[in-house]
Amino acid sequence: AQSVAQPEDQVNVAEGNPLTVKCTYSVSGNPYLFWYVQYPNRGLQFLLKYITGDNLVKGSYGFEAEFNKSQTSFHLKKPSALVSDSALYFCAVRDTGYSSASKIIFGSGTRLSIRP
Amino acid sequence: SAVISQKPSRDICQRGTSLTIQCQVDSQVTMMFWYRQQPGQSLTLIATANQGSEATYESGFVIDKFPISRPNLTFSTLTVSNMSPEDSSIYLCSVENFIGEETQYFGPGTRLLVL
Repeated sequence: AQSVAQPEDQVNVAEGNPLTVKCTYSVSGNPYLFWYVQYPNRGLQFLLKYITGDNLVKGSYGFEAEFNKSQTSFHLKKPSALVSDSALYFCAVRDTGYSSASKIIFGSGTRLSIRP
Repeated sequence: SAVISQKPSRDICQRGTSLTIQCQVDSQVTMMFWYRQQPGQSLTLIATANQGSEATYESGFVIDKFPISRPNLTFSTLTVSNMSPEDSSIYLCSVENFIGEETQYFGPGTRLLVL
């Protein structure tokens, strides 16, 4: 069965510093991996995805993520954090080992707090 | 990607009543889904809304409690029936634009508080 883990409930970073939000996954086939962001009182916004190809994927708002097959990880990164990046971040995985109708499974979420 | 809207955006309801949430998409989409996000929790899939047929429910969710309609390729409703305070959650609609699309896109959510 597929699963995804976000080991940190909260990440605190000073504005201007680099940030990393961690995600690891478990699938039987090849993974499709996603990051979503949820701002207060808003729905989920798609940030970026890894399907195939280059292990480093770039997304919205200057975020990027690196797919590491050997470590089964897909950490979200940004070189310089902004206060406006403060939000709840979800990692998600879809297992291509199943049919095309396979579900997306979401991690527990990591609250990112950027202090001025 | 499609623009997704939900009505109502929030509501406060009395226990024992029912609330119907609407999800409207500005273009035809193949797949529509309903999720629940309980306070401080991640997203849990309730069901897949199938156009022209009964919804496919996940384990732990039943049609009597969460009846779903999908009359066409741009619209779906989720009803939360006989509500209790435990139903207080954010309910989110999501879509996949076309067959084989890997990404789901989400509506803004409906915040429900049951007293």
